[in-house]
Amino acid sequence: TQLLEQSPQFLSIQEGENLTVYCNSSSVFSSLQWYRQEPGEGPVLLVTVVTGGEVKKLKRLTFQFGDARKDSSLHITAAQPGDTGLYLCAGAQRLAAGNNRKLIWGLGTSLAVNP
Amino acid sequence: AAGVIQSPRHLIKEKRETATLKCYPIPRHDTVYWYQQGPGQDPQFLISFYEKMQSDKGSIPDRFSAQQFSDYHSELNMSSLELGDSALYFCASRKRGQGIHEQYFGPGTRLTVT
Repeated sequence: TQLLEQSPQFLSIQEGENLTVYCNSSSVFSSLQWYRQEPGEGPVLLVTVVTGGEVKKLKRLTFQFGDARKDSSLHITAAQPGDTGLYLCAGAQRLAAGNNRKLIWGLGTSLAVNP
Repeated sequence: AAGVIQSPRHLIKEKRETATLKCYPIPRHDTVYWYQQGPGQDPQFLISFYEKMQSDKGSIPDRFSAQQFSDYHSELNMSSLELGDSALYFCASRKRGQGIHEQYFGPGTRLTVT
């Protein structure tokens, strides 16, 4: 059972269109990260959201953390071919013992933006 | 800014051979994580180290072992390799105690077992 559901799994759109990727869970996260991964490369951290209801903007990308800190969304405005890649969300969850946390990953959204 | 360094970037081994992957974290980062990512899959957490001690263990096979050294670099040792071990292996690092849990990933090592 995937603890962090990410949707859609695949998305193919035309340049200039808008899109939203969702990351949902029944668990509460202390923070949630969005990563972008190119084929054969490591995930690159885009943003971290911490506070419930928080909204962060990174150029044409808008990230939102749900009020209850269980879900998040990534909205891309006027997508460009350079946005093509795998977008992964990962929630930080406290381990049972101690103050350590681990990342719980979504399966990713493979985005293709066609010129 | 310095990033996480992994070596080698590509590795081809035969079944039953051994492999050692290396990870050099971002300077002043004290925590290292190892992940395995198969095609079309999310990164699967293997193991992590904090201040040279194992801090968490995930789905790491018994055939694999890892350690973190005094200079904070880490090595993942893989023995009796199987075809199913072919994957991308990522290392990530962070500085514990900064409040927000953010992991920074290296470029990965692509392991192919033939």
